[in-house]
Amino acid sequence: DGGITQSPKYLFRKEGQNVTLSCEQNLNHDAMYWYRQDPGQGLRLIYYSQIVNDFQKGDIAEGYSVSREKKESFPLTVTSAQKNPTAFYLCASSRLSGSNEQFFGPGTRLTVL
Amino acid sequence: AQSVTQLDSHVSVSEGTPVLLRCNYSSSYSPSLFWYVQHPNKGLQLLLKYTSAATLVKGINGFEAEFKKSETSFHLTKPSAHMSDAAEYFCVVSVYTGTASKLTFGTGTRLQVTL
Repeated sequence: DGGITQSPKYLFRKEGQNVTLSCEQNLNHDAMYWYRQDPGQGLRLIYYSQIVNDFQKGDIAEGYSVSREKKESFPLTVTSAQKNPTAFYLCASSRLSGSNEQFFGPGTRLTVL
Repeated sequence: AQSVTQLDSHVSVSEGTPVLLRCNYSSSYSPSLFWYVQHPNKGLQLLLKYTSAATLVKGINGFEAEFKKSETSFHLTKPSAHMSDAAEYFCVVSVYTGTASKLTFGTGTRLQVTL
């Protein structure tokens, strides 16, 4: 089955630690995205990438970093610079042309202890 | 610039009664519009999309939405609610800027379905 996988499902972090969230897709999509979801605020874009080895900041990129070494993979690192990292993180992918609907992974819930 | 307003943060209906979730948008360009559904602690699933074809769009699970340009609305409806419809629903506007598609999400409407 084609789709997007995210791991882990739940992640706990101590303050001051960096953590990396995994996102893999086998839909052959060129574009990939990371969103943060907080209660009552909808989804906010962190980073996106349209092609391997290239990515752009979204609306709330501070305290986060990404890489895109392979078309299938777009990991997100939450750094110690992110002051309020507890949230639900969603990865998505899409084609570059057409209706541009995005397909979402199941999410990772990050909790800072 | 673009924006999305979901007019109700919470809607409660009885099973078997109609569902109406309201969405208004603003966009400087011709937008694509989507409705997504999210069950607790899950990712988002696409319900339906409008991309400048028919203004009445039919989606999965009996949902449909009507694009009304004059009212800048894209309300989601279903004739008869089912318990399994209880979830959070997001209205989304997408605009292609020439280099990328930018999605703007509404803040969501939580649908509660009671017996």
